Amino acid sequence: GAGVSQSPSNKVTEKGKDVELRCDPISGHTALYWYRQSLGQGLEFLIYFQGNSAPDKSGLPSDRFSAERTGGSVSTLTIQRTQQEDSAVYLCASSSRGGNEQFFGPGTRLTVL
Amino acid sequence: GESVGLHLPTLSVQEGDNSIINCAYSNSASDYFIWYKQESGKGPQFIIDIRSNMDKRQGQRVTVLLNKTVKHLSLQIAATQPGDSAVYFCAESQNFVFGPGTRLSVLP
Repeated sequence: GAGVSQSPSNKVTEKGKDVELRCDPISGHTALYWYRQSLGQGLEFLIYFQGNSAPDKSGLPSDRFSAERTGGSVSTLTIQRTQQEDSAVYLCASSSRGGNEQFFGPGTRLTVL
Repeated sequence: GESVGLHLPTLSVQEGDNSIINCAYSNSASDYFIWYKQESGKGPQFIIDIRSNMDKRQGQRVTVLLNKTVKHLSLQIAATQPGDSAVYFCAESQNFVFGPGTRLSVLP
């Protein structure tokens, strides 16, 4: 497909477990973003990758959150020792360059029991 | 800190009427704004953008107005249709700041 894809679409986990969320950006897009969206809320910026530059991690809420982007394409967001307040939809987006129109994936709905 | 906020969390309009969704921002240095539409269960989708060197930009049935003096922008949707029902977000693109969103409901 031509769009941003994310997997899994839904993830239910137990408190204290680690989770990995995957994002496949649009081919050729150099910028990749992760956001978190709690129920009925706006988007909370988490992290931004631009090409080979060091990522902007300023939005990560705690050191339990980390993300990597391998080969300038696929990205994985990892949440360690999940807490109930981590429950949200995690959205990934990509753009042809930083600051441009972002194309969003459908999101991963994370539920921490 | 930076913020992008909306004046109204919900907006109901009659089908065929025009809709106006407002947004305020706090960073006077912001120079690029985007409006997104998010339908239930989907990720946000780009609608229209505007740079700070412009006051107005028009698309198909949508117009964005930017007032830099009062740090305000609005999204106008002409002849609102049922398919326009969604949550609309304004975003300050440079710093990845999104407003909380306005839910637009189109009444038959």
